[in-house]
Amino acid sequence: SQQGEEDPQALSIQEGENATMNCSYKTSINNLQWYRQNSGRGLVHLILIRSNEREKHSGRLRVTLDTSKKSSSLLITASRAADTASYFCATDGGGANSKLTFGKGITLSVRP
Amino acid sequence: NAGVMQNPRHLVRRRGQEARLRCSPMKGHSHVYWYRQLPEEGLKFMVYLQKENIIDESGMPKERFSAEFPKEGPSILRIQQVVRGDSAAYFCASSPAGETQAFFGQGTRLTVV
Repeated sequence: SQQGEEDPQALSIQEGENATMNCSYKTSINNLQWYRQNSGRGLVHLILIRSNEREKHSGRLRVTLDTSKKSSSLLITASRAADTASYFCATDGGGANSKLTFGKGITLSVRP
Repeated sequence: NAGVMQNPRHLVRRRGQEARLRCSPMKGHSHVYWYRQLPEEGLKFMVYLQKENIIDESGMPKERFSAEFPKEGPSILRIQQVVRGDSAAYFCASSPAGETQAFFGQGTRLTVV
């Protein structure tokens, strides 16, 4: 079953604007991660946030986690055309099995 | 330190043939995961292996699919008697023991004709 559900499914913005993508999940988690996938390529890890963390920054990326609402958001500030890609959130339940459960992804288009 | 290496990058098989996908994890990583991605979909977990052990195969179809991670050599995902519905991108990820962050390969795109 799908654990992560991202919204919106597609987002189109102008270069320089901020992009906000949301992810909701159903069961308790250990960590939540965001990945980027360029068309036809593999996944690139962006950021990991642990269940006891509320916010994390990495360069132009800001991730928040609200475990009470079972949701996370990914903010990309000052977007660039090169940020055009699909973005996925993935959760793991911790313990001995750290397999990831992915959402369907958000397609971000940044217009130059 | 090379990343996760998957080969081949593209594989075309006729219906009924076997597909063999290889994954070499990053150096020092003992955990390997296989995921499948259908067009316009997210990744779906298939199997989690450690050296010579299958830890979780709950995402593997019951028939025709098998995976191994031998003591020496790459992890192999084998699909026997492929059907058109097996066409997808198959991704391998690896992680060190005790770590959650997984590093993904570029994937193998399987096309069944």
